Amino acid sequence: LAKTTQPISMDSYEGQEVNITCSHNNIATNDYITWYQQFPSQGPRFIIQGYKTKVTNEVASLFIPADRKSSTLSLPRVSLSDTAVYYCLVGGFNTDKLIFGTGTRLQVFP
Amino acid sequence: NAGVTQTPKFRILKIGQSMTLQCTQDMNHNYMYWYRQDPGMGLKLIYYSVGAGITDKGEVPNGYNVSRSTTEDFPLRLELAAPSQTSVYFCASSFDRVDGYTFGSGTRLTVV
Repeated sequence: LAKTTQPISMDSYEGQEVNITCSHNNIATNDYITWYQQFPSQGPRFIIQGYKTKVTNEVASLFIPADRKSSTLSLPRVSLSDTAVYYCLVGGFNTDKLIFGTGTRLQVFP
Repeated sequence: NAGVTQTPKFRILKIGQSMTLQCTQDMNHNYMYWYRQDPGMGLKLIYYSVGAGITDKGEVPNGYNVSRSTTEDFPLRLELAAPSQTSVYFCASSFDRVDGYTFGSGTRLTVV
C-alpha cells in the first residue's frame, strides 16, 4: 500500500482558497487518489477522486502532476463549515482496503 | 436509501463483557469495512470483507471478530471487552475497490 504524508494542520480564513498537499512517492500504476472529509463525531465523507491531471466537482478540485507522486486538494473560498479533517488515500484495483493516515486538520477562522 | 446503518449509536460495556456492533447497507455494495477511531487520531482498519463469506484482517484485528453471511450485513463482535477498545467504531461500504466509501454514523463505545 502506498504511504501518504500530509501536513498535520492548516489554518485559513473565510473566503480564502485552501490547498492541501499529499505526498505519495510509492504510488502504483493502478492506484487512484481519493480525498475524504471528516467533521467531528461523524464518519468520513467522500470528496473527490482522481487518477491524473485535474478533477473538479462542486466541492473541490484535485490536482495531480504527471509523476503522480503528490496531489493537491484545492478548496475554493472556504467557509467556517469547511473546518474538518481531510484525509488523502491511495489505492486501486490491486488494493482491497484503504489505510487512513492522521489527516490534515483544517481550521477556518472568521 | 438509508446507506450504511450502524447500531447502537452509544454503548457502555464493563470489562470482560461481550457485544456485537451491527452494520447494514442497502446499496448492494460488495466491499465492507470496520474502522476504529480513537480521540484525536485517524482511522484504523479492523477487518474488511470483499463479499459474502469472505473476510480478512486489517491493521488492528486483535480482540475482534467479524462475519459476512449476507451482502447487506457485516457485524463486528467484541468477545472480552477491554478499556483499550474504548473508541468510535465506523462501518463503511463500497461497490468495488476504486469506488468511494460510504460511512455510517458510528458507534461510540466506552469500556469501564
